[in-house]
Amino acid sequence: DGGITQSPKYLFRKEGQNVTLSCEQNLNHDAMYWYRQDPGQGLRLIYYSQIVNDFQKGDIAEGYSVSREKKESFPLTVTSAQKNPTAFYLCASSGGLLEAFFGQGTRLTVV
Amino acid sequence: AQKVTQAQTEISVVEKEDVTLDCVYETRDTTYYLFWYKQPPSGELVFLIRRNSFDEQNEISGRYSWNFQKSTSSFNFTITASQVVDSAVYFCALSEAGRDDKIIFGKGTRLHILP
Repeated sequence: DGGITQSPKYLFRKEGQNVTLSCEQNLNHDAMYWYRQDPGQGLRLIYYSQIVNDFQKGDIAEGYSVSREKKESFPLTVTSAQKNPTAFYLCASSGGLLEAFFGQGTRLTVV
Repeated sequence: AQKVTQAQTEISVVEKEDVTLDCVYETRDTTYYLFWYKQPPSGELVFLIRRNSFDEQNEISGRYSWNFQKSTSSFNFTITASQVVDSAVYFCALSEAGRDDKIIFGKGTRLHILP
């Protein structure tokens, strides 16, 4: 089935560690996005990419990094520089101003 | 600047009542797209509707309807005869054509449908 797959569903990180969240899509979409969701904050854009090997910072990019080496994949690394990483992370893709399709999310907790 | 405001943080209604979720947007572009998404407790966002800036026709899909008014920069969502399964967080979103395809979301409205 076509769709977006995020893994893992739950992730625990020790303070000072980097962790990478996976996002894969088989919808042949050019654009991919990472959002962070905190209670009462809605969805805030971290990074987005319109094409392979290119990406742009969103509103809250500090402490995060991404890569887009393949059209299907847009992994997000939460670095140790992100001081408050505990949140729900959502990945999405879209095909040129059409609606975005979302993965099931990864809930990251710092322990 | 690109912005979406959902002023209603949380709404509770009794089942079978009608409820309207408000969405006000700001954009400099004349061509843009508006969206509504539903987020059930499972967490995944479910697409409900997309509307482009040149199409002001209201749309109805079953118990759902949307009222798009460019004059007031609003794109409101009404659920008629609400059901408990409608309980979720609803997000309004905006994308400006020609501006990197960035999609900006409002903060969402949490809707409780009480049995």
